[in-house]
Formats: sequence, structure tokens, C-alpha cells
Amino acid sequence: TQLLEQSPQFLSIQEGENLTVYCNSSSVFSSLQWYRQEPGEGPVLLVTVVTGGEVKKLKRLTFQFGDARKDSSLHITAAQTGDTGLYLCAGAGGTSYGKLTFGQGTILTVHP
Amino acid sequence: GAGVSQSPSNKVTEKGKDVELRCDPISGHTALYWYRQSLGQGLEFLIYFQGNSAPDKSGLPSDRFSAERTGGSVSTLTIQRTQQEDSAVYLCASRHRLGGGGNEQFFGPGTRLTVL
Repeated sequence: TQLLEQSPQFLSIQEGENLTVYCNSSSVFSSLQWYRQEPGEGPVLLVTVVTGGEVKKLKRLTFQFGDARKDSSLHITAAQTGDTGLYLCAGAGGTSYGKLTFGQGTILTVHP
Repeated sequence: GAGVSQSPSNKVTEKGKDVELRCDPISGHTALYWYRQSLGQGLEFLIYFQGNSAPDKSGLPSDRFSAERTGGSVSTLTIQRTQQEDSAVYLCASRHRLGGGGNEQFFGPGTRLTVL
């Protein structure tokens, strides 16, 4: 069984601060995805990383996939109140049909 | 519609009753997934459909849970004799068959089920 440990579970910061969310596993994933979920809505895909060591940037968000494809991180620079939400990492692997294993999620609150 | 839709958005039921949750995937998406999201549990995989068949049902918690898909489109998740521990948000996602190595899934807004 593949497991993803996501940390921290809760993060409360002031606008303008930087933060990092971590996603770790003992299993290798063929790809790893980061989602953001707003209350009352389904998760929305932010990025997919596929190659070990890959780094992707999406404006103020930087995503990294570990060399061994077992871990990933999401770094947000100069957080804004609009970044508030639930962030989820999800790994795909072990099947050919895209079954995802999700981390427990990080609830981010950015205060003005 | 442009996205995945689910109905109802909220369902309150009494313990022991049966419920049906519906998912309309994105048109043309052949892969469909059901997940359950509970407080403190994250998202748990329930079942995967490719077309009308379900090659992976490994996440269904018990035999009270079943799902079907007809016409390669709409899917229904049925929970019989609901229990309080079934209370959760049930999410549906769809993916195009040729989605590539990224396995991008598009999620619906979910059905919040509350069992009293």
C-alpha cells in the first residue's frame, strides 16, 4: 500500500511570509500532483511533476519532485490572503490507470 | 457542461436508509473515479471505472457500497443501510483516456452526505 505523509497539517501565517509544504513517502511514484481545494468545491489541479529532480514554477508557487520520486514540496513566496485553502499532494503509481494516493492535506490560512 | 457535476450537493439521511449519489463526468472522458473525503482522513480512493466496467473496486469500504456506470458516462454510487461513519464528502473525478503520463483528473464539487 502506498502512503503519502503531508506536513504540516495546519499552517497559519501573515501575508508576505514564505512557506513550504512537504509530501513524503517510502514508495516511488510515477508522477505527483498538487491540488488546491476551496470549501464546497472539489480539488483543482495546480501542477503535475513527473521527472525526478523536476522543479516547476507557477507564479509565486514552486514545486519540486525529489530525485528518487518519493517526495515533493510546495513553496509559496510572499503569501497572499488569496492563497488560503486546502493543499493536497497526490501520487500516481502502481497502476496503469491513474489511481491517486492522497496526502492528508495542509490547511493554509494567510492573515492580512 | 464543461466540468464534472455531482448531485445532490448535500444529502441528509437517517441511519439505515439507502442513498444514491450521481456523477456526470466531462463529456468524452472514459475514466471515472470515486473518492471519499472525511475529516482527518484526506481523500480515499473508492472505485475506478474504465468505460462501464470497474477493474478496481478495492477502495469500497464494505458490501453496503456499490457503484455502476452506464453508457460510459453517468455513474451512480449507492450506499445501502447507511451508518453514521459513512458521513463524508463523496467526490467524483474523470480523466480522458489519453491523458498522458500526468494522469490529470478533474474533480466535481462533491456530495456532502450526513447520516443522522
